[in-house]
Amino acid sequence: ELKVEQNPLFLSMQEGKNYTIYCNYSTTSDRLYWYRQDPGKSLESLFVLLSNGAVKQEGRLMASLDTKARLSTLHITAAVHDLSATYFCAVERDGTDKLIFGTGTRLQVFP
Amino acid sequence: EAGVVQSPRYKIIEKKQPVAFWCNPISGHNTLYWYLQNLGQGPELLIRYENEEAVDDSQLPKDRFSAERLKGVDSTLKIQPAELGDSAVYLCASSLEGAYGELFFGEGSRLTVL
Repeated sequence: ELKVEQNPLFLSMQEGKNYTIYCNYSTTSDRLYWYRQDPGKSLESLFVLLSNGAVKQEGRLMASLDTKARLSTLHITAAVHDLSATYFCAVERDGTDKLIFGTGTRLQVFP
Repeated sequence: EAGVVQSPRYKIIEKKQPVAFWCNPISGHNTLYWYLQNLGQGPELLIRYENEEAVDDSQLPKDRFSAERLKGVDSTLKIQPAELGDSAVYLCASSLEGAYGELFFGEGSRLTVL
Protein backbone atom coordinates (compact mmCIF):
# COMPACT_ATOMS: atom_id res chain seq x y z
CA GLU A 1 0.00 0.00 0.00
CA LEU A 2 1.35 3.39 -0.97
CA LYS A 3 1.82 5.77 1.94
CA VAL A 4 2.69 9.42 1.57
CA GLU A 5 4.14 11.26 4.54
CA GLN A 6 4.86 14.93 4.85
CA ASN A 7 6.91 16.71 7.43
CA PRO A 8 6.63 18.88 9.21
CA LEU A 9 2.85 18.83 9.67
CA PHE A 10 2.91 22.37 11.02
CA LEU A 11 5.42 25.07 10.25
CA SER A 12 5.52 28.55 11.70
CA MET A 13 8.21 30.69 10.18
CA GLN A 14 9.27 34.29 10.12
CA GLU A 15 9.11 36.40 7.00
CA GLY A 16 12.36 36.41 5.10
CA LYS A 17 13.47 32.98 6.28
CA ASN A 18 14.04 29.85 4.21
CA TYR A 19 12.62 26.43 4.90
CA THR A 20 11.97 23.06 3.27
CA ILE A 21 8.93 20.78 3.39
CA TYR A 22 9.56 17.09 2.80
CA CYS A 23 7.36 14.50 1.14
CA ASN A 24 8.30 10.82 1.45
CA TYR A 25 6.46 7.97 -0.20
CA SER A 26 6.67 4.25 0.27
CA THR A 27 6.55 2.65 -3.19
CA THR A 28 7.86 3.42 -6.64
CA SER A 29 6.34 6.30 -8.55
CA ASP A 30 7.52 8.67 -11.24
CA ARG A 31 4.84 11.29 -10.82
CA LEU A 32 4.46 13.71 -7.97
CA TYR A 33 2.31 16.79 -7.55
CA TRP A 34 2.30 19.72 -5.14
CA TYR A 35 -0.88 21.60 -4.27
CA ARG A 36 -1.70 24.61 -2.13
CA GLN A 37 -4.93 25.03 -0.18
CA ASP A 38 -6.10 28.19 1.56
CA PRO A 39 -8.63 27.79 4.41
CA GLY A 40 -12.07 26.99 3.05
CA LYS A 41 -10.80 27.12 -0.50
CA SER A 42 -10.01 24.76 -3.33
CA LEU A 43 -6.70 23.04 -3.96
CA GLU A 44 -4.49 24.92 -6.38
CA SER A 45 -1.93 23.06 -8.46
CA LEU A 46 1.62 24.33 -7.90
CA PHE A 47 3.97 21.83 -9.52
CA VAL A 48 3.88 18.63 -11.54
CA LEU A 49 7.09 16.58 -11.33
CA LEU A 50 7.26 13.77 -13.85
CA SER A 51 10.78 12.35 -13.71
CA ASN A 52 13.71 11.69 -11.46
CA GLY A 53 15.73 14.82 -10.87
CA ALA A 54 12.93 17.14 -11.96
CA VAL A 55 13.16 20.61 -10.49
CA LYS A 56 10.57 23.35 -10.93
CA GLN A 57 10.48 26.87 -9.57
CA GLU A 58 7.76 29.47 -9.32
CA GLY A 59 8.46 32.64 -7.41
CA ARG A 60 9.67 31.82 -3.90
CA LEU A 61 8.82 28.12 -4.20
CA MET A 62 11.00 25.40 -5.70
CA ALA A 63 10.09 21.72 -5.90
CA SER A 64 12.31 18.75 -6.67
CA LEU A 65 11.88 15.02 -7.06
CA ASP A 66 14.26 12.15 -6.28
CA THR A 67 12.51 8.94 -7.30
CA LYS A 68 15.35 6.73 -6.08
CA ALA A 69 15.06 8.13 -2.56
CA ARG A 70 11.26 8.38 -2.92
CA LEU A 71 11.49 11.96 -1.77
CA SER A 72 10.26 15.31 -2.93
CA THR A 73 11.05 18.65 -1.38
CA LEU A 74 9.29 22.00 -1.51
CA HIS A 75 11.74 24.76 -0.69
CA ILE A 76 10.57 28.17 0.42
CA THR A 77 12.92 31.10 -0.10
CA ALA A 78 12.52 34.36 1.81
CA ALA A 79 9.02 33.58 3.01
CA VAL A 80 6.26 36.18 2.85
CA HIS A 81 2.88 36.22 4.60
CA ASP A 82 1.03 35.41 1.37
CA LEU A 83 2.59 31.95 1.38
CA SER A 84 0.60 31.01 4.50
CA ALA A 85 -1.53 28.00 3.49
CA THR A 86 -1.60 24.22 3.65
CA TYR A 87 0.64 22.44 1.16
CA PHE A 88 -0.09 18.91 -0.04
CA CYS A 89 2.04 16.54 -2.03
CA ALA A 90 0.32 13.79 -4.01
CA VAL A 91 1.92 10.72 -5.52
CA GLU A 92 0.57 8.62 -8.35
CA ARG A 93 0.58 4.96 -7.47
CA ASP A 94 2.38 3.09 -10.26
CA GLY A 95 0.06 1.34 -12.66
CA THR A 96 -3.15 2.57 -11.04
CA ASP A 97 -3.62 6.16 -12.25
CA LYS A 98 -4.56 6.96 -8.65
CA LEU A 99 -3.25 9.95 -6.68
CA ILE A 100 -2.50 9.42 -3.00
CA PHE A 101 -2.29 12.65 -1.02
CA GLY A 102 -0.13 13.36 1.98
CA THR A 103 -1.64 14.75 5.17
CA GLY A 104 -0.51 18.25 4.34
CA THR A 105 1.85 20.81 5.88
CA ARG A 106 0.20 23.81 7.40
CA LEU A 107 2.48 26.81 6.91
CA GLN A 108 2.11 30.05 8.80
CA VAL A 109 4.39 32.98 8.00
CA PHE A 110 4.54 35.78 10.54
CA PRO A 111 6.21 39.22 10.43
CA GLU B 1 -12.23 30.33 -18.33
CA ALA B 2 -14.60 29.05 -15.67
CA GLY B 3 -13.17 26.60 -13.17
CA VAL B 4 -14.76 23.53 -11.64
CA VAL B 5 -18.12 24.51 -10.17
CA GLN B 6 -19.68 22.70 -7.25
CA SER B 7 -22.94 23.12 -5.39
CA PRO B 8 -24.10 23.47 -2.77
CA ARG B 9 -21.10 24.95 -0.95
CA TYR B 10 -22.56 24.06 2.42
CA LYS B 11 -25.16 21.53 3.50
CA ILE B 12 -26.43 20.67 6.98
CA ILE B 13 -28.68 17.65 7.36
CA GLU B 14 -29.78 15.23 10.02
CA LYS B 15 -28.49 11.69 9.99
CA LYS B 16 -30.40 9.20 7.83
CA GLN B 17 -31.44 11.95 5.40
CA PRO B 18 -30.29 11.89 1.79
CA VAL B 19 -28.00 14.51 0.24
CA ALA B 20 -26.70 15.20 -3.24
CA PHE B 21 -23.79 17.21 -4.56
CA TRP B 22 -23.38 18.51 -8.08
CA CYS B 23 -20.23 19.19 -10.09
CA ASN B 24 -19.65 20.88 -13.42
CA PRO B 25 -16.08 20.30 -14.63
CA ILE B 26 -13.97 22.57 -16.78
CA SER B 27 -15.21 22.54 -20.35
CA GLY B 28 -13.48 19.85 -22.39
CA HIS B 29 -12.09 17.95 -19.42
CA ASN B 30 -12.96 14.31 -19.96
CA THR B 31 -11.83 13.03 -16.57
CA LEU B 32 -13.77 13.85 -13.42
CA TYR B 33 -12.97 12.91 -9.83
CA TRP B 34 -14.81 12.99 -6.55
CA TYR B 35 -12.63 13.26 -3.45
CA LEU B 36 -13.44 13.22 0.24
CA GLN B 37 -11.48 15.51 2.55
CA ASN B 38 -11.75 15.15 6.29
CA LEU B 39 -10.64 17.99 8.52
CA GLY B 40 -6.86 18.26 8.71
CA GLN B 41 -6.27 15.52 6.17
CA GLY B 42 -5.48 15.17 2.51
CA PRO B 43 -8.14 14.35 -0.06
CA GLU B 44 -9.04 10.69 -0.66
CA LEU B 45 -10.38 9.49 -3.99
CA LEU B 46 -13.94 8.21 -4.04
CA ILE B 47 -14.52 7.74 -7.75
CA ARG B 48 -12.97 8.62 -11.10
CA TYR B 49 -14.78 8.97 -14.41
CA GLU B 50 -13.37 8.85 -17.90
CA ASN B 51 -16.17 10.51 -19.87
CA GLU B 52 -19.33 8.76 -18.60
CA GLU B 53 -17.58 5.59 -17.45
CA ALA B 54 -16.61 5.05 -13.81
CA VAL B 55 -13.10 3.60 -14.18
CA ASP B 56 -12.17 3.55 -10.49
CA ASP B 57 -14.83 3.34 -7.78
CA SER B 58 -13.00 0.98 -5.46
CA GLN B 59 -13.04 3.52 -2.61
CA LEU B 60 -16.72 4.42 -2.92
CA PRO B 61 -18.86 2.97 -0.08
CA LYS B 62 -21.47 1.54 -2.39
CA ASP B 63 -23.98 0.69 0.31
CA ARG B 64 -24.83 4.35 0.78
CA PHE B 65 -22.92 6.33 -1.83
CA SER B 66 -23.71 6.56 -5.51
CA ALA B 67 -22.50 8.72 -8.35
CA GLU B 68 -23.36 9.34 -11.94
CA ARG B 69 -22.01 11.31 -14.84
CA LEU B 70 -24.65 11.35 -17.51
CA LYS B 71 -23.52 12.53 -20.94
CA GLY B 72 -19.95 12.68 -19.70
CA VAL B 73 -20.13 16.25 -18.41
CA ASP B 74 -21.83 17.12 -15.11
CA SER B 75 -21.72 14.70 -12.22
CA THR B 76 -23.78 14.07 -9.11
CA LEU B 77 -22.65 12.37 -5.91
CA LYS B 78 -25.37 11.10 -3.60
CA ILE B 79 -25.38 9.80 -0.06
CA GLN B 80 -28.41 7.93 1.21
CA PRO B 81 -28.78 7.65 4.12
CA ALA B 82 -26.17 9.98 5.57
CA GLU B 83 -24.31 9.05 8.75
CA LEU B 84 -22.54 11.24 11.28
CA GLY B 85 -19.16 10.09 9.96
CA ASP B 86 -19.95 11.43 6.50
CA SER B 87 -19.37 14.99 7.69
CA ALA B 88 -16.52 16.23 5.50
CA VAL B 89 -15.76 18.29 2.42
CA TYR B 90 -16.56 16.65 -0.90
CA LEU B 91 -14.26 17.89 -3.62
CA CYS B 92 -14.75 17.55 -7.34
CA ALA B 93 -11.82 17.79 -9.72
CA SER B 94 -11.32 17.47 -13.44
CA SER B 95 -8.41 17.01 -15.80
CA LEU B 96 -7.77 17.02 -19.51
CA GLU B 97 -5.30 14.18 -19.83
CA GLY B 98 -6.76 11.60 -17.52
CA ALA B 99 -4.90 10.68 -14.36
CA TYR B 100 -1.58 11.74 -15.85
CA GLY B 101 -2.61 15.32 -16.14
CA GLU B 102 -2.91 18.19 -13.75
CA LEU B 103 -6.06 18.13 -11.62
CA PHE B 104 -8.18 21.24 -11.18
CA PHE B 105 -10.31 21.26 -8.05
CA GLY B 106 -13.59 22.93 -7.22
CA GLU B 107 -14.11 24.73 -3.92
CA GLY B 108 -15.88 21.76 -2.42
CA SER B 109 -19.18 21.02 -0.74
CA ARG B 110 -18.97 21.01 3.04
CA LEU B 111 -21.39 18.51 4.59
CA THR B 112 -22.38 18.53 8.24
CA VAL B 113 -24.47 15.62 9.48
CA LEU B 114 -26.19 16.20 12.84
